[in-house]
Amino acid sequence: DQQVKQNSPSLSVQEGRISILNCDYTNSMFDYFLWYKKYPAEGPTFLISISSIKDKNEDGRFTVFLNKSAKHLSLHIVPSQPGDSAVYFCAASVGFDNNDMRFGAGTRLTVKP
Amino acid sequence: NAGVTQTPKFQVLKTGQSMTLQCAQDMNHEYMSWYRQDPGMGLRLIHYSVGAGITDQGEVPNGYNVSRSTTEDFPLRLLSAAPSQTSVYFCASSAVSNQPQHFGDGTRLSIL
Repeated sequence: DQQVKQNSPSLSVQEGRISILNCDYTNSMFDYFLWYKKYPAEGPTFLISISSIKDKNEDGRFTVFLNKSAKHLSLHIVPSQPGDSAVYFCAASVGFDNNDMRFGAGTRLTVKP
Repeated sequence: NAGVTQTPKFQVLKTGQSMTLQCAQDMNHEYMSWYRQDPGMGLRLIHYSVGAGITDQGEVPNGYNVSRSTTEDFPLRLLSAAPSQTSVYFCASSAVSNQPQHFGDGTRLSIL
């Protein structure tokens, strides 16, 4: 029962353009959401988070949008750079609780020079 | 700055063998956890610990044991390896359970 779904296994964009990675969730109780980034042969690293009291959170080139009614969040990367090529995981929990964090399967982003 | 260190990076076992995956962190984090990552699925929590001497089960604990005798170390034991335990295993830590985690680089385990 995957409560967090990333329906696009891969995404390819041109350098300088916008990358949009999507994530859907089924548990309406989730109220804290995170994005992690993973390079090959490395562990995931934390990228950005958002709580349900907000609908947008921005950190440099990275912005996460949350649509609670649609149970959907997205990560926007503008402008995309070749170094952004990685697998991106979204995760969700009820209250920020690593014990109960549910992860999506990931989206592999390729940014072409 | 080592962060979270996992050993070994790769391991091949035969069905029925036992082994311990090692995890150590040098950030004095109280919270540590073990995940497995399987193709087409997200990371799934196996066991976690909120401090030395305290462990608890996650989403998929069967076939695994853990202990936490020190703040730094959180080993994961496979008691009798099964092919279904073929996976990539990640150890992670955070200061407390409600902060983003730092992950190790993973152990790729194959059970034949």
